[in-house]
Amino acid sequence: DGGITQSPKYLFRKEGQNVTLSCEQNLNHDAMYWYRQDPGQGLRLIYYSQIVNDFQKGDIAEGYSVSREKKESFPLTVTSAQKNPTAFYLCASMLNRGTEAFFGQGTRLTVV
Amino acid sequence: QQQVKQSPQSLIVQKGGISIINCAYENTAFDYFPWYQQFPGKGPALLIAIRPDVSEKKEGRFTISFNKSAKQFSLHIMDSQPGDSATYFCAASITGGFKTIFGAGTRLFVKA
Repeated sequence: DGGITQSPKYLFRKEGQNVTLSCEQNLNHDAMYWYRQDPGQGLRLIYYSQIVNDFQKGDIAEGYSVSREKKESFPLTVTSAQKNPTAFYLCASMLNRGTEAFFGQGTRLTVV
Repeated sequence: QQQVKQSPQSLIVQKGGISIINCAYENTAFDYFPWYQQFPGKGPALLIAIRPDVSEKKEGRFTISFNKSAKQFSLHIMDSQPGDSATYFCAASITGGFKTIFGAGTRLFVKA
């Protein structure tokens, strides 16, 4: 089955630690995205990538970093510089930019 | 210009009733207007989408009404069922563009 796989589903982080969220897709989509979801705030764009080895900052990129070394993989690192990292993180991909987004099942990150 | 305003924030409907969620946008360059459905702990999934060359699109119990002159579009869920209880997001994008703009979401609860 084609789709987007995010792992882990739940992640706990101590303050001051960096953590990496995994996102893998087998849809052969060029465009991939990371969103952060907080209650009542919808989906906010963190980073996006249109092609391998290229990515752009979204609206809330501070404290986050990404890489795109392979077409199917777009990991997100939440660094210790992110002041309020507890949230639900969603990875998405698109076949054609500006059309249907396919989402993973999300990773819930909690800082303890 | 880049915002999509969604209302209401939450909605309670009796089983069998009609659920209506509204969205408004400013950027007249948007040409793709999807609605996503998200169940708790899951990623959003495309429910239905419309382009501005039509005023209405219907898929089963779900209908999008689009008013280009008013820059508004809405989702109507006919014969609402408890299984429709979820968070609904409207969105807008430009085909070929880099970003999809999401509304803040509407939490729908259908009472049995």
